[in-house]
Amino acid sequence: EPEVTQTPSHQVTQMGQEVILRCVPISNHLYFYWYRQILGQKVEFLVSFYNNEISEKSEIFDDQFSVERPDGSNFTLKIRSTKLEDSAMYFCASLDRSSYNEQFFGPGTRLTVL
Amino acid sequence: RKEVEQDPGPFNVPEGATVAFNCTYSNSASQSFFWYRQDCRKEPKLLMSVYSSGNEDGRFTAQLNRASQYISLLIRDSKLSDSATYLCVVTAQTGANNLFFGTGTRLTVIP
Repeated sequence: EPEVTQTPSHQVTQMGQEVILRCVPISNHLYFYWYRQILGQKVEFLVSFYNNEISEKSEIFDDQFSVERPDGSNFTLKIRSTKLEDSAMYFCASLDRSSYNEQFFGPGTRLTVL
Repeated sequence: RKEVEQDPGPFNVPEGATVAFNCTYSNSASQSFFWYRQDCRKEPKLLMSVYSSGNEDGRFTAQLNRASQYISLLIRDSKLSDSATYLCVVTAQTGANNLFFGTGTRLTVIP
């Protein structure tokens, strides 16, 4: 069964450093998303991406964040200058509109900012 | 104001019990409704979509009341493997289908 994959599974970084989280969505999906979940809190929407551009973004997704689909398979989330409060689980998801709007989630990248 | 509100629990029930979770959402223009399941430190996984007519999938029954902006999930004959956090999820009214999650209701099924 096709699945969304994410790398790395765990990323530790120093405050102020740049990180890039990588995702490979399911191959025939056209809509891509990033969500985050701070430990013990709810899953929060960050950004949606379609047709090589951002569709929507939340208040969390400020100028420190960017997304890119550099080739036909990868979908990346970059945080330019990480803060302590960026520590969270980051989930990538992709959607095939024909499957009743079900978003398939990747296993997540745990980001720890020290 | 929270988009999606759930009772966080925890719910501790014996095997074989019936348990019900409730959820309310604030945006009357929300388009789609789901229950996701999340195991500890794992990704959310779709349990079932929720339709106004109500829908059933084995031991799981979901109901939607658009007038009251209320969603429910009923689990019958609970199994140990049902232990997880159950997330009530709605989409935004926009076309991008962004998901809004509740905080989740934690269920522990006890032998």
